Amino acid sequence: GAGVSQSPSNKVTEKGKDVELRCDPISGHTALYWYRQRLGQGLEFLIYFQGNSAPDKSGLPSDRFSAERTGESVSTLTIQRTQQEDSAVYLCASSWVANYNEQFFGPGTRLTVL
Amino acid sequence: GQQLNQSPQSMFIQEGEDVSMNCTSSSIFNTWLWYKQEPGEGPVLLIALYKAGELTSNGRLTAQFGITRKDSFLNISASIPSDVGIYFCAGQETSGSRLTFGEGTQLTVNP
Repeated sequence: GAGVSQSPSNKVTEKGKDVELRCDPISGHTALYWYRQRLGQGLEFLIYFQGNSAPDKSGLPSDRFSAERTGESVSTLTIQRTQQEDSAVYLCASSWVANYNEQFFGPGTRLTVL
Repeated sequence: GQQLNQSPQSMFIQEGEDVSMNCTSSSIFNTWLWYKQEPGEGPVLLIALYKAGELTSNGRLTAQFGITRKDSFLNISASIPSDVGIYFCAGQETSGSRLTFGEGTQLTVNP
């Protein structure tokens, strides 16, 4: 079956531009998570959606970062006025809340800010 | 905030050898998970642990949830070249909440 998909797979942008990253979760998964992974490091939590509400957005590093989710499907992570330190792989995961919340990850979007 | 200390950071082993890696936490988790990540891909779940003391196997992989709920280990027996990758532990406080990840263990298996 289809897994979590993310687009684009790679994004190169200039400092100061805005970017939008998209995540399509596994169909029927009610929970959706965004993480950031810097080169050679573990994953940092950014935000969590249950349905289209965000009970935990405490990981967003600044007000330049925002995310929204339409119903229990697609989510978009937006980074405004990108900075070089935003360069990382942005990973999305989804899960059935009932199934012990095992999170299944997409392939990520590699963002490079020049 | 919570931190997970994962060790070792990297391992270089010969095919057929057994491997062990572990994670310790400054606070309690109610779920421990182990993921494997290969280049250009997202992490793939290997084993999930839900109860303190639980020992779970998945093929050649065995993981345990520490009694104190502050640690977990992963063993890989009889390693093969396709075991190469980065292994991450992750802890979860409550059902549905964020995962806190370790820094990863880079495994290299020489044929």
